[in-house]
Amino acid sequence: GEDVEQSLFLSVREGDSSVINCTYTDSSSTYLYWYKQEPGAGLQLLTYIFSNMDMKQDQRLTVLLNKKDKHLSLRIADTQTGDSAIYFCAESHNTDKLIFGTGTRLQVFP
Amino acid sequence: GAGVSQTPSNKVTEKGKYVELRCDPISGHTALYWYRQSLGQGPEFLIYFQGTGAADDSGLPNDRFFAVRPEGSVSTLKIQRTERGDSAVYLCASSSSPGAGYTFGSGTRLTVV
Repeated sequence: GEDVEQSLFLSVREGDSSVINCTYTDSSSTYLYWYKQEPGAGLQLLTYIFSNMDMKQDQRLTVLLNKKDKHLSLRIADTQTGDSAIYFCAESHNTDKLIFGTGTRLQVFP
Repeated sequence: GAGVSQTPSNKVTEKGKYVELRCDPISGHTALYWYRQSLGQGPEFLIYFQGTGAADDSGLPNDRFFAVRPEGSVSTLKIQRTERGDSAVYLCASSSSPGAGYTFGSGTRLTVV
């Protein structure tokens, strides 16, 4: 079945880059997403990438997709304390449901 | 509206009771999704509406769970004979087109005591 896996925790120093990794199993995934969830809040869409792309950059965010290895990463440049949150990787096939990973908790320390 | 609105934000109910959770999507969004997020987990898909009809209800855990969207906008998730294991945050999302991403509401935190 479909499965999305992420490491549970990442700790980085303010100003450094953060890299959050994700692997998925569904080779027919059409879109891959990164969502951010702050405590007590809903999910905020950060960025997404089509499966026929291998990279997408949006300000401090860079998404890399290795379709052969089914590996997705999110790089946050110049990480700030406000970036502390849980980051979810998700995949979908066309307009179908999202399959989420368990989330990576990013902690940024000064 | 400007965003996806979910009411109530918190609901405490006794085991065995019936609850209704409401989702008001972004105006004009034809696709509406319900997810359930348990503590420490990622959201799990429950049901997807395209317009008024349920296009995919494969995530509903059992027949105690039901959802409607009679006019293609507001949706209600209904849970009968609630159990303590139903305690979770129930998230609603809407979308305008494929690949556009989904806009999530802040969720309803359901606690069954």
